[in-house]
Amino acid sequence: QSALTQPASVSGSPGQSITISCSGTSSDVGGYNYVSWYQQHPGKAPKLMIYDVSKRPSGVSYRFSGSKSGNTASLTISGLQAEDEADYSCCSYAGGSTWIFGGGTKLTVL
Amino acid sequence: QVQLQESGPGLVKPSQTLSLTCTVSGGSITSGSYYWCWIRQPAGKGLEWIGRIHGTGSTNYYPSLESRVTMSVDASKNQFSLKLSSVTAADTAVYYCARDLPGSGAFDFWGQGTGVTVSS
Repeated sequence: QSALTQPASVSGSPGQSITISCSGTSSDVGGYNYVSWYQQHPGKAPKLMIYDVSKRPSGVSYRFSGSKSGNTASLTISGLQAEDEADYSCCSYAGGSTWIFGGGTKLTVL
Repeated sequence: QVQLQESGPGLVKPSQTLSLTCTVSGGSITSGSYYWCWIRQPAGKGLEWIGRIHGTGSTNYYPSLESRVTMSVDASKNQFSLKLSSVTAADTAVYYCARDLPGSGAFDFWGQGTGVTVSS
């Protein structure tokens, strides 16, 4: 199993939309609808933002949305705000009751 | 509201066994279909799923770590534990415990994390 592939960094200005990709294989991202996304501010624990590809937990802003096409999942943040600046990691079920994460993407709000 | 708190030594010598405990509050560790997980993050790197344990004691481990990992549950203390044997510097990381959301595999509640350094 190899880590899912994410861009190291993305950036956007307040009010804009950005998309973070998460590429895997047919054995993980492409094979199951069990992709989740986590937001992590420096020195803090990750926070669940999206699960089951596109579902939002209670309390997570509607500005966060998820999708999947083939072996690639995506997280889109619309109406960027300063507090969205953080690291974002994707995670996918990888079969055999195991999970695999991406390397993380640093989002900078310009 | 479920809360998780990791505890354990912050420094472990190479070749020894890393031992961490996660104390769960706000809910019973043996109730429902929840699995309880360990996830780690080396400094400046991505998250890595280590494994999970159900309140019944059933476990699943990450294949590359399986030979060195043991997880257990102590229902009387509402705790679950991680043991990682034969550690090296590559095992230096922040270790998180988390709850596995049933039916989705997402991790909905996390501990604050505890840093472990492997060094002589």
